[in-house]
Amino acid sequence: AQSVTQLGSHVSVSEGALVLLRCNYSSSVPPYLFWYVQYPNQGLQLLLKYTSAATLVKGINGFEAEFKKSETSFHLTKPSAHMSDAAEYFCAVSTNTGNQFYFGTGTSLTVIP
Amino acid sequence: KAGVTQTPRYLIKTRGQQVTLSCSPISGHRSVSWYQQTPGQGLQFLFEYFSETQRNKGNFPGRFSGRQFSNSRSEMNVSTLELGDSALYLCATSSGGQSTDTQYFGPGTRLTVL
Repeated sequence: AQSVTQLGSHVSVSEGALVLLRCNYSSSVPPYLFWYVQYPNQGLQLLLKYTSAATLVKGINGFEAEFKKSETSFHLTKPSAHMSDAAEYFCAVSTNTGNQFYFGTGTSLTVIP
Repeated sequence: KAGVTQTPRYLIKTRGQQVTLSCSPISGHRSVSWYQQTPGQGLQFLFEYFSETQRNKGNFPGRFSGRQFSNSRSEMNVSTLELGDSALYLCATSSGGQSTDTQYFGPGTRLTVL
């Protein structure tokens, strides 16, 4: 079975500071990993995904994530936070054995001016 | 290209009633997945349809059902509504329904059960 744990349901950073959102996964087979962002009253939008190619994945809006198999992690980072980054972020995992996505419980990011 | 559309956007029902939600995928997308999103449980997978067949199902009671039509549009039905069914219901579509495919989400239908 697969699962995702997002450490920290709420994260606050100052504008211009580093953003680090943590995601750890559990999977008995090679995982595919995704980060999605959700703005208020909207659906989820894909930020980036890892599908067994390069371990450092670059996404939209300056976000990137690194797949670390030894740590079973896929943390999301952005060098400099912008006010528009305030949103809910979800990490998700899937595998090629079930075509089902498992989402973490989400991390709410607040950016302080 | 038009995005994923969900109708209606808001619904208010009372306990015991039933409800049908609709999802129209992006043109060419054949896979439709449904999720229930609540503050306490996060996003929980309901089921996934591909070419009119249910391929995967989450751990929800039989009151939750769905179907997919030949044009890939999908509906989900919840019968005998309970207060705990109040949630944002999201559908997500992808082209081939593969595990590596990007899922595109609709804006959701917010269901309130009184």
